[in-house]
Amino acid sequence: EAQVTQNPRYLITVTGKKLTVTCSQNMNHEYMSWYRQDPGLGLRQIYYSMNVEVTDKGDVPEGYKVSRKEKRNFPLILESPSPNQTSLYFCASSLRGGGSYNSPLHFGNGTRLTVT
Amino acid sequence: AQSVSQHNHHVILSEAASLELGCNYSYGGTVNLFWYVQYPGQHLQLLLKYFSGDPLVKGIKGFEAEFIKSKFSFNLRKPSVQWSDTAEYFCAVKTVGGKLIFGQGTELSVKP
Repeated sequence: EAQVTQNPRYLITVTGKKLTVTCSQNMNHEYMSWYRQDPGLGLRQIYYSMNVEVTDKGDVPEGYKVSRKEKRNFPLILESPSPNQTSLYFCASSLRGGGSYNSPLHFGNGTRLTVT
Repeated sequence: AQSVSQHNHHVILSEAASLELGCNYSYGGTVNLFWYVQYPGQHLQLLLKYFSGDPLVKGIKGFEAEFIKSKFSFNLRKPSVQWSDTAEYFCAVKTVGGKLIFGQGTELSVKP
């Protein structure tokens, strides 16, 4: 089944403790992206990757890191999480680009992160 | 900077009522337009999209949207909502060569 898989679904951590949220897709998509969803703010892009070894900042990259060493994986790393990073995170992928007509975004199920 | 605005944050309707959710964007050039739906506890799914051609676009589950270029709008409509349409709806806009930008979302609650 074609899908984007994020883990974990729920994560509670403390300030400053490094964490990684994994994202994997099995559709051979070139484009992958991370979003955070906050009430009243919609989805904001954190980082995106057009292909292997190519990553770029989105609108809210501060406090996050990513890597794209393989096509299928795009982990999100919080080196020193803070309470303002408490949010719902979504990974998404598309064949290419990021939301074009023939290449819509496929979303993972989300990771709800709480930083205390 | 491009932006997307959804006017209604929370809409409450009874079953069989008609629905219209507003979406406006700020960009003067060519755009691709999308509506995504997020059912409670689930991820976002594509509802419909507009790329070019007929400005009235039909999507899944009886939803449609109309692109009005002069008003920079892409409103979502459904003639008769069902309880199962309870979800959050996101409008998104992609400019040529640009990024996909999401609106703030509209939460729809349908009372049975």
